[in-house]
Amino acid sequence: DGGITQSPKYLFRKEGQNVTLSCEQNLNHDAMYWYRQDPGQGLRLIYYSQIVNDFQKGDIAEGYSVSREKKESFPLTVTSAQKNPTAFYLCASRDRDTDTQYFGPGTRLTVL
Amino acid sequence: QKEVEQDPGPLSVPEGAIVSLNCTYSNSAFQYFMWYRQYSRKGPELLMYTYSSGNKEDGRFTAQVDKSSKYISLFIRDSQPSDSATYLCAMIKGGGSNYKLTFGKGTLLTVNP
Repeated sequence: DGGITQSPKYLFRKEGQNVTLSCEQNLNHDAMYWYRQDPGQGLRLIYYSQIVNDFQKGDIAEGYSVSREKKESFPLTVTSAQKNPTAFYLCASRDRDTDTQYFGPGTRLTVL
Repeated sequence: QKEVEQDPGPLSVPEGAIVSLNCTYSNSAFQYFMWYRQYSRKGPELLMYTYSSGNKEDGRFTAQVDKSSKYISLFIRDSQPSDSATYLCAMIKGGGSNYKLTFGKGTLLTVNP
């Protein structure tokens, strides 16, 4: 089955720690995206990558970092510099033919 | 003014009702329009996709676009408790390196049995 997987589903972190969220897709999509979702705020774009070894900042990139070494993988690191990291994180990839995005199941990060 | 406005609700209806969900937008550069459904603690799933003014039907769902009024709607007929979710409108402008997908904030729908 083609799709996007994210792991872990739930993640707990102590303040001051960096954590990395995994995102893998087998849809053969070139472009991948990371969003953050907070109650009442909708989806906000953190980082995106249109091709391997290239990525750009989104609207709220501060305190986050990414890499894109493989087409299938786009991990997101939430660093200790992110002031309010507790949120629901969503990864997506984009269908080149329709420009629509398909989402993974999400990772809920809680900072203790 | 935000580029995409969506009433957050919440919206509560009885089973079998017709539901109307709406978004307005301010930028005429938006070319493609989508509706996503998001169940609690899950990722959004693409429900409807359209690019022209008019109606597009898929089972109990109808997406309507009025580009002249900058207004899109999603209608759900014979609503079911399983339709209870947050519905997000989304719009695309540009292409290639200028591609931009903008979401509404979502409307929380509850269908009561």
